[in-house]
Amino acid sequence: EAGVVQSPRYKIIEKKQPVAFWCNPISGHNTLYWYRQNLGQGPELLIRYENEEAVDDSQLPKDRFSAERLKGVDSTLKIQPAELGDSAVYLCASSLTSGTGPRNTQYFGPGTRLTVL
Amino acid sequence: AQSVSQHNHHVILSEAASLELGCNYSYGGTVNLFWYVQYPGQHLQLLLKYFSGDPLVKGIKGFEAEFIKSKFSFNLRKPSVQWSDTAEYFCAVNAASSARQLTFGSGTQLTVLP
Repeated sequence: EAGVVQSPRYKIIEKKQPVAFWCNPISGHNTLYWYRQNLGQGPELLIRYENEEAVDDSQLPKDRFSAERLKGVDSTLKIQPAELGDSAVYLCASSLTSGTGPRNTQYFGPGTRLTVL
Repeated sequence: AQSVSQHNHHVILSEAASLELGCNYSYGGTVNLFWYVQYPGQHLQLLLKYFSGDPLVKGIKGFEAEFIKSKFSFNLRKPSVQWSDTAEYFCAVNAASSARQLTFGSGTQLTVLP
């Protein structure tokens, strides 16, 4: 079974430029998550999708970040414009469902390491 | 605020030593508990998980963890570490009281010396 796929793996941009990250979850997983992981810290949730609906985006900086999950499968996370403080690893994860219980086990992709100069 | 604490930021052991990494959380009620591992240059991988039942759970590669509800702890253990266990280890908690978010600790870097 293929895991969570993300691209690109690395991205270097100058501040104020836009950037986009793509994620393809594990087949059959209805719930998709985007996390940000700063150096030396654990991942922090940015947004959670149930199928194509964003059900938890309370941690997403909406002035510059946006996300979409068209057709309830692939997802794109965008930053526009990027700032120096956005340098981090952006992780995508998926699970069968959300909530508590075994079906909420999250599986992570390799991440995109973003460097903003 | 609800949180997950990993007390050791960096642990250095020699091969064959025993390992215990601490994890404490501050959530009440029903919790699901996880340990993830990130080997150098690789993505986060699930090591083990606890949902209910036997509080001693066994994971991959000889790791185990014990859920002690009264101490709000979920410590990771391995009786004899190998050089290949060098990695960063993250404890994570999913609680009904936290809108089902998976909250991670800050991680523990384990270095095993050959």
